[in-house]
Amino acid sequence: GAVVSQHPSWVICKSGTSVKIECRSLDFQATTMFWYRQFPKQSLMLMATSNEGSKATYEQGVEKDKFLINHASLTLSTLTVTSAHPEDSSFYICSARGERAVTGELFFGEGSRLTVL
Amino acid sequence: KQEVTQIPAALSVPEGENLVLNCSFTDSAIYNLQWFRQDPGKGLTSLLLIQSSQREQTSGRLNASLDKSSGRSTLYIAASQPGDSATYLCAVGTGNQFYFGTGTSLTVIP
Repeated sequence: GAVVSQHPSWVICKSGTSVKIECRSLDFQATTMFWYRQFPKQSLMLMATSNEGSKATYEQGVEKDKFLINHASLTLSTLTVTSAHPEDSSFYICSARGERAVTGELFFGEGSRLTVL
Repeated sequence: KQEVTQIPAALSVPEGENLVLNCSFTDSAIYNLQWFRQDPGKGLTSLLLIQSSQREQTSGRLNASLDKSSGRSTLYIAASQPGDSATYLCAVGTGNQFYFGTGTSLTVIP
C-alpha cells in the first residue's frame, strides 16, 4: 500500500509553546488529508479535513485558531498546535487519500504522541 | 449522522481459531468500507477496502464482507495467530467523510 509518513513520532513540550506535526504522502499525491485525535482506548476523532490549496474544514467543537492546518502541497500537510496546554496531550494521526477521491483508500501515518507538561 | 458500532469490544481466543469481527452502520448510503488494524501506540494499517458495489474482499487469511442494505460488515480471520493480536477498526466512507467504529481489541493466546 501507499506510504504516509508522520513526524515527529513523539514530542514533549512545555505549556504555552506551539508544536508542528508534519504529514507526508511519500509515493502518491494526496488530494485530501485528514487529521484525527485519539485518546487512550478510544476510537479516532476527526478534527479536520484539508484539501490541497484550500482552507481546512474543521469538525464541530475543534478550535480553528488552536489547531492550525496547512495543506500547501499535494504531499504535505501540517498540524500546528498553538499555545499547547496539558489537555492537548493526545495521539494525533493523519491520513491521506489520493486522486481516486470519493472511493479512494485511506492510508495512515504512524501517529504523533504529544505530551504537554 | 452515520454511526458505526463494532461488536464485540474485546475478544480473546486461543491460537488457531477462526473468528469474526462485526461492524454495523446506520446509514446505508456509503461509498466504501475499510478495515484497519492498530497496534498499541501506532497508526492504522489498512487491511481491506470494500467498495459499495462489492460484497467481499479477501487478503490472505482475512475476508471482509459487506451487506450494505442491512448496514453490516464482517471481518473473518482464519487460523488466528498471536501476531494477529491488535485492535481492529472499521471505517465507513461517505463521500469526503470517514466514520470510525470504536474497535475490537483482539487477543490471540498462544
